[in-house]
Amino acid sequence: QSVLTQPPSISAAPGQKVTFSCSGSSSNIGNDYVSWYQQVPGTAPKLLIYENIKRPSGIPDRFSGSKSGTSATLGITGLQAGDEADYYCGTWDSSLTTWVFGGGTKLTVL
Amino acid sequence: QVQLQQWGAGLLKPSETLSLTCGVYGGSFSGYYWTWFRQPPGKGLEWIGQINYNGYIKYNESLKGRVTVSIDTSNSQFSLKLRSVTAADTAVYFCARGRGRLFHLAYMDVWGNGTTVAVSS
Repeated sequence: QSVLTQPPSISAAPGQKVTFSCSGSSSNIGNDYVSWYQQVPGTAPKLLIYENIKRPSGIPDRFSGSKSGTSATLGITGLQAGDEADYYCGTWDSSLTTWVFGGGTKLTVL
Repeated sequence: QVQLQQWGAGLLKPSETLSLTCGVYGGSFSGYYWTWFRQPPGKGLEWIGQINYNGYIKYNESLKGRVTVSIDTSNSQFSLKLRSVTAADTAVYFCARGRGRLFHLAYMDVWGNGTTVAVSS
């Protein structure tokens, strides 16, 4: 059971917009920045969003992040076949003094 | 552009010690949190522990007592040892470069390719 809660799966057609939710508590999301990672099966995770809303160099602006209270959201617009992957949210938990991830959401592009 | 290259034994017997090393190439070694994660087959990511450039260490409490993370600044490498492994430790292990904030991990911006470790008798 992950400390951060993510829906197990999402599916959408190419060109559409999708949002991924990540729910936590006052000791993690409510207390610190959230980052998001994309993992294509069989490969290493890739940083998509850090400090809730910032994109690393090379990440297109189709990807966006937001946070409100104890929840965070990742958005992808103009969905492409190459976006099919698992998406994880993560943050520091000050009560557990541990880095925590959500269980991940599998995106299927129809 | 910084790259992380990791290596170590991929097949272990129960009770043996897992040993992995991650080399940092093309970037500074100081100022970051050097971290280890793992991902059991078909499951999500789990943080194992971290060490920063001046030796400050933090471990996942669930593994504390079996895990050691160390750093070799002269060779820009950091290592993971996990003792008394069981089948439950079978996973892909990743090293990563972490950015810190307020003396704890904030996010990971560079990852190694992963090493598959299987524990079987």
